[in-house]
Amino acid sequence: AQTIHQWPVAEIKAVGSPLSLGCTIKGKSSPNLYWYWQATGGTLQQLFYSITVGQVESVVQLNLSASRPKDDQFILSTEKLLLSHSGFYLCAWSGTGGASYEQYFGPGTRLTVL
Amino acid sequence: GDSVTQTEGLVTLTEGLPVMLNCTYQTIYSNPFLFWYVQHLNESPRLLLKSFTDNKRTEHQGFHATLHKSSSSFHLQKSSAQLSDSALYYCALSDQAGGYKVVFGSGTRLLVSP
Repeated sequence: AQTIHQWPVAEIKAVGSPLSLGCTIKGKSSPNLYWYWQATGGTLQQLFYSITVGQVESVVQLNLSASRPKDDQFILSTEKLLLSHSGFYLCAWSGTGGASYEQYFGPGTRLTVL
Repeated sequence: GDSVTQTEGLVTLTEGLPVMLNCTYQTIYSNPFLFWYVQHLNESPRLLLKSFTDNKRTEHQGFHATLHKSSSSFHLQKSSAQLSDSALYYCALSDQAGGYKVVFGSGTRLLVSP
């Protein structure tokens, strides 16, 4: 069975500080990987997706970047946090090869920017 | 671009009454995939239903939905609400022709009371 792990579980950071969030998936070879942001009480906004190592596509510009250094790892980062970055960050995976891209979400990281 | 509309932000029901959550979508592509995700408090979203076949009812865990391409709708229904159904429900859209982008609606919070 596939498992998805996100780290850290929660972060409290200062405005202007850097950020790095991670996601690892086990039990699935070459998954599609995604980052989502969810504001408190808000909808899910897809941020990035990656279909292969080293390739990441941006869906929306929020002064964030993402990288996929390994097949099973997806990293979300920024050099300078804004207050508006607060929220819940979710990593997800989907199948490949003509699938319907149903999303399987990780446990998430709750980020508070002060 | 693609969009998903969920008109109700909050639906409150008494246990045992039927549930209907609305979802309509807009897409330029002819073969959309529609999904319902459910997110319980302090949990991540998980897939509830999915469909890509016009006019075919899909069911899971007592919930059902039918994709109607003629009206661009994918409403979620259940015959009898349970207390455990209280959660946030998201309708989402993806399309193979549109790549790996997934668009979520704004979500409907369902509160079921005794």
